[in-house]
Amino acid sequence: AQRVTQPEKLLSVFKGAPVELKCNYSYSGSPELFWYVQYSRQRLQLLLRHISRESIKGFTADLNKGETSFHLKKPFAQEEDSAMYYCALIRAGGGADGLTFGKGTHLIIQP
Amino acid sequence: KAGVTQTPRYLIKTRGQQVTLSCSPISGHRSVSWYQQTPGQGLQFLFEYFSETQRNKGNFPGRFSGRQFSNSRSEMNVSTLELGDSALYLCASSLAARNTEAFFGQGTRLTVV
Repeated sequence: AQRVTQPEKLLSVFKGAPVELKCNYSYSGSPELFWYVQYSRQRLQLLLRHISRESIKGFTADLNKGETSFHLKKPFAQEEDSAMYYCALIRAGGGADGLTFGKGTHLIIQP
Repeated sequence: KAGVTQTPRYLIKTRGQQVTLSCSPISGHRSVSWYQQTPGQGLQFLFEYFSETQRNKGNFPGRFSGRQFSNSRSEMNVSTLELGDSALYLCASSLAARNTEAFFGQGTRLTVV
């Protein structure tokens, strides 16, 4: 069965420091990986997807198939980055099980 | 463009009752998925509808069902409510069945007492 693991429930860093939110997955086929973000009192929204290979709000994530990881990184954290971050996967092309989410990491950026 | 709209936002029901939740997708989106979010289990996939047909279903009992109408609006029904059904139910819409970029609603908070 597919699984997404986010080992840190809470991550606190200072403004201007680098951020790395870890995500590991297990999946036997070819997955698509995503990062979703939920800011305070807002709805869950897509931050980025691995097939786009783009940087959103300074965040990047590289899919490492050898290590089955999809860590989210930002070189200089900003206070507005404080939010819940969820890593998710789906079978490439759409999956029978919908999106499989990790439990989430609460990122707090301290001033 | 209006986002995904879920109604009602909050609901309190008694054990044994049934409940219906509604989701209006983004205009033009034909795929609607439902997720259950709880503190213990996190976000779990319930089912997905496309063109009024259930395409996929997660690992939930038959008490959980849904449907989609010709205008792509979707409803989710839970019968014989249990205390463990208390959760935030999220609806997400996508442009097409195989387009995996999902846009989420704000959810319906269901409390079963």
